[in-house]
Amino acid sequence: SQTIHQWPATLVQPVGSPLSLECTVEGTSNPNLYWYRQAAGRGLQLLFYSVGIGQISSEVPQNLSASRPQDRQFILSSKKLLLSDSGFYLCAWSARGGRQRAETQYFGPGTRLLVL
Amino acid sequence: GNSVTQMEGPVTLSEEAFLTINCTYTATGYPSLFWYVQYPGEGLQLLLKATKADDKGSNKGFEATYRKETTSFHLEKGSVQVSDSAVYFCALSGASNTGKLIFGQGTTLQVKP
Repeated sequence: SQTIHQWPATLVQPVGSPLSLECTVEGTSNPNLYWYRQAAGRGLQLLFYSVGIGQISSEVPQNLSASRPQDRQFILSSKKLLLSDSGFYLCAWSARGGRQRAETQYFGPGTRLLVL
Repeated sequence: GNSVTQMEGPVTLSEEAFLTINCTYTATGYPSLFWYVQYPGEGLQLLLKATKADDKGSNKGFEATYRKETTSFHLEKGSVQVSDSAVYFCALSGASNTGKLIFGQGTTLQVKP
């Protein structure tokens, strides 16, 4: 069965510090991968998605970047955190579509980031 | 473009009450439709889905029917429990093979004993 891991679970960082959040998927190959942010009491905002190694699409301009160094690893980074980067960060995967549409997304447990 | 609209919350119910959370969508083509649930402090879990018109998704007592004529996918449960308290997200799939989903804004459900 497939599992998705995120770490750390919780992070408190000062403004201006760097950030690295990691997401890994097990039990599947060639997944589509996604990073979302959820501000307190708000909906989901898609930040990045990736359909393959080294292929990153950004949905919104921001202070963050993403990388996919391996097939099942997705990293969210920042060189200098802002207060507005605080939130709950969720990673998700879906099966690669091919001739079929990729559909159901499966989410990790999330990382709660507080920037002070 | 494609979009999803959910009823605003919070929805507050007593235990064993009937639940309806409305979801309507705008889409070209024939998207799949989803309900996800987020319990406090956790990630999202797939609750149910439907892939074509008139399909009914069901899980854990929750149901939703894909109504193309009314572009709706309302979530229902006959008798809610305190443990159903969570945020519920309606979503639809995009037309490409990127797997991108379009989410509604979420509806918070609070069930009181």
